Amino acid sequence: DAKTTQPPSMDCAEGRAANLPCNHSTISGNEYVYWYRQIHSQGPQYIIHGLKNNETNEMASLIITEDRKSSTLILPHATLRDTAVYYCIVRPRGNEKLTFGTGTRLTIIP
Amino acid sequence: DAGVIQSPRHEVTEMGQEVTLRCKPISGHNSLFWYRQTMMRGLELLIYFNNNVPIDDSGMPEDRFSAKMPNASFSTLKIQPSEPRDSAVYFCASSATEGNQPQHFGDGTRLSIL
Repeated sequence: DAKTTQPPSMDCAEGRAANLPCNHSTISGNEYVYWYRQIHSQGPQYIIHGLKNNETNEMASLIITEDRKSSTLILPHATLRDTAVYYCIVRPRGNEKLTFGTGTRLTIIP
Repeated sequence: DAGVIQSPRHEVTEMGQEVTLRCKPISGHNSLFWYRQTMMRGLELLIYFNNNVPIDDSGMPEDRFSAKMPNASFSTLKIQPSEPRDSAVYFCASSATEGNQPQHFGDGTRLSIL
């Protein structure tokens, strides 16, 4: 499975857009990009996933570059409750396993 | 909708004792996963089932660990005998297999072995 690289930590002001980057330069054509987050003392929470097109749902937007070697998760209006560790995971189509890295610890500043 | 339900939420026991963790997946999901999370190793997949059959148990640390899924709505992870190094948060997750569906996690069992 392709590896991902994320910054260990980021801060974002409350009410601003939080942009979390992820590099996956060895991604192959059948691999999806998934984003999960883990709020303290809770289980990981699914956010969004995509293959090559940009995706948007009620939680976030996922922007995948044309060469698919990197992506950005966007939380459009961050709130204090968005403080969490965010994991970017690459997962092959049909493979059910998720391999979690160390993620990005996002802190929303009041 | 009910999510993945795990019990107990917290367990404290002495080393050498048997520990059983329980999981009820989301109704209709046919894949179930057990993970362990520690500060040192992060979040690791231990084992997963598809249609109640174990598919990959390569992450199970040793023979002291065993997992079963007797039916589509229940799974157990057992540690016997338990050791202090088994202290961790254990998560269960489930997903529908079709179409790259995401995994949905329970709130975990925080296990402390004294």
